[in-house]
Amino acid sequence: QTVVTQEPSLSVSPGGTVTLTCGLSSGSVSTTHYPSWYQQTPGQAPRTLIYAANIRSSGVPDRFSGSILGNKAALTITGAQADDESDYYCVLYLVGGIPWVFGGGTKLTVL
Amino acid sequence: EVKLVESGGGLVQPGGSLRLSCAASGFTFSSYWMHWVRQAPGKGLVWVSRINSDGTTTTYADSVKGRFTISRDNAKNTLYLQLNSLRAEDTAVYYCARVLMGFCNGGSCHRWFDPWGQGTLVTVSS
Repeated sequence: QTVVTQEPSLSVSPGGTVTLTCGLSSGSVSTTHYPSWYQQTPGQAPRTLIYAANIRSSGVPDRFSGSILGNKAALTITGAQADDESDYYCVLYLVGGIPWVFGGGTKLTVL
Repeated sequence: EVKLVESGGGLVQPGGSLRLSCAASGFTFSSYWMHWVRQAPGKGLVWVSRINSDGTTTTYADSVKGRFTISRDNAKNTLYLQLNSLRAEDTAVYYCARVLMGFCNGGSCHRWFDPWGQGTLVTVSS
């Protein structure tokens, strides 16, 4: 079964830049996997950040950007702020088998 | 305002049943595929099930196939998830989510989850 991989945890300094990635246990991520990214703070529902690999959802600050970097989808936060400290999840659409597979999430610490 | 509100969660014994509801408002519910995603305590998001806009096509994760049933009532703008033969490992917050489609290229359209409901907690314990 295909696994979607994310860094379990990352840290960034306030004002710094960090890139979170979303990969596949077998193969490369492309736009055909419809990569999207979600932010979740404790006790809250997920919030849509990025869809179609690089489109920011309404109201999302432009310090968040999405891309395909090499063989992975990526979420970059430029100029990190304290309230960016959250869990971040990517999800990929897979043909055959389970249609949607979430990554395990990245816990981002801003310190 | 586009909104999804789940209800129906609670404490149930192993082997028991529960029906979750997701009330939709602010959009034409009957036009969209809908999904359930769950999150066990302290764990990540896991896709559970989906249903097409008219309710004729459903898909399930292997872990719930044969035990859970997704359905919808477009007249009531409500999505359901019937949970049977519940196990301790089904303990989770259950979220409903709409899937949007767009940015099409050569017949292939991007899809993403938006919005999400606030979730309803299901606890399976004796």
